This record gives sequence, structure tokens and C-alpha cells, in this order.
Amino acid sequence: EPEVTQTPSHQVTQMGQEVILRCVPISNHLYFYWYRQILGQKVEFLVSFYNNEISEKSEIFDDQFSVERPDGSNFTLKIRSTKLEDSAMYFCASSGTGKNQPQHFGDGTRLSIL
Amino acid sequence: AQSVTQLGSHVSVSEGALVLLRCNYSSSVPPYLFWYVQYPNQGLQLLLKYTSAATLVKGINGFEAEFKKSETSFHLTKPSAHMSDAAEYFCAVISGNSGYALNFGKGTSLLVTP
Repeated sequence: EPEVTQTPSHQVTQMGQEVILRCVPISNHLYFYWYRQILGQKVEFLVSFYNNEISEKSEIFDDQFSVERPDGSNFTLKIRSTKLEDSAMYFCASSGTGKNQPQHFGDGTRLSIL
Repeated sequence: AQSVTQLGSHVSVSEGALVLLRCNYSSSVPPYLFWYVQYPNQGLQLLLKYTSAATLVKGINGFEAEFKKSETSFHLTKPSAHMSDAAEYFCAVISGNSGYALNFGKGTSLLVTP
């Protein structure tokens, strides 16, 4: 069964540095998403992406964050000037068109900011 | 805005006993509802979804959920717990009049004892 893959599984970065988290969505999906889960808290929506542009974003997704689909298979989340509070598990997801289509999640990237 | 409340952050059942995980939602329009399971160090896996086709929804691994509009509930059940069901369970909602962002509950950790 096709799946969403994320790399790396764990990223350790110094505060103030930039990080790029990578995802390969399911190939025939058209909607892509990023969520994050701070340790001990619930999963939070960051951003959705459709037709090569952001379709929706939360208040968490400020100017520090950006997303890109650099080619036909990858979907990336860039975090500029990382802060300690950016430490979290970041999940990528993808889905077909329509709200009844389930979002399929990757195994996540654990981001640790030192 | 839509939201989800999961009653009970931790639920413990004996192997073979009924599993009941509670989820209540708030939404001004008919919602799309989902249950996801997260095993340790893994991503979120879809258990089942409600999209208005039928109020009783059957999912994977013997789980099912019933949509009750009058109670604004979507509780997850399984007649007989297995040790392998021990995991974190998340209820999530997409509102019918918003974008595609999943709004998650805080999760319920299910412990199954021998």
C-alpha cells in the first residue's frame, strides 16, 4: 500500500539555524499538509497546500515557516531561525480531493532544537 | 469553529473487555469525523471515518464508531480488547464549512492489561 515517507526521522539543530523537513506524499494525492505535535500536547494543523500554493494555514504558521513543492514528488517544510519552542514531532500528510478523503500520515520527523 | 473533546486521557481495560473511547465534537454544520491510532514511534493511522453515508461506521482491527447527532458524539468501540490495541487514539474533525484542516482532540492512551 502506498505511504507517505518523511526524512529525516530525527533532526537535531542549534537554535537560530534553519531546518528543512522533507516529505514524499502519496503519488496520486493532490492535497498536502504539515502538522506538529509538541511533546505531551495534541496534534496541531500548520498548513495545507494544493495546486502549488498554500490553501489554508493556522496562526502557528507565521513568517518563520514556508512550504515548497520543489519537484513532482517532494514536499518540504522550512523553518527559519529556529527557536527552542519549535521542538516537536512534525507530521506530513496527503489526501485526495474532497473532505471525505482521509489524510494519510507519515511517521514524522522529531525536531530537537538545542 | 469546530472542536473535539476526548474524555479521559488514559483508559485501561482488561484483555477481552469492551473498549469505549469517547469523543464529542462541536460544529455548526455536519462534520467529517475521523479516528486515528498512533503506535509508539509511528505516525497516525486511520481507523475509520464518518462522512454522512451511515451513522455506524466500521473500521480496521475490529473497531467501530457511531455518529449521534443529538449527542454530538462519535465514540469509538471494540467488543473485545487485544494486547496489540494498546496505543494512543485521536478523534479529529473537519467542519463542513471550512477548509481541509483536521482539528484533533488531545488523545486517549489505551492500556490493555492481561
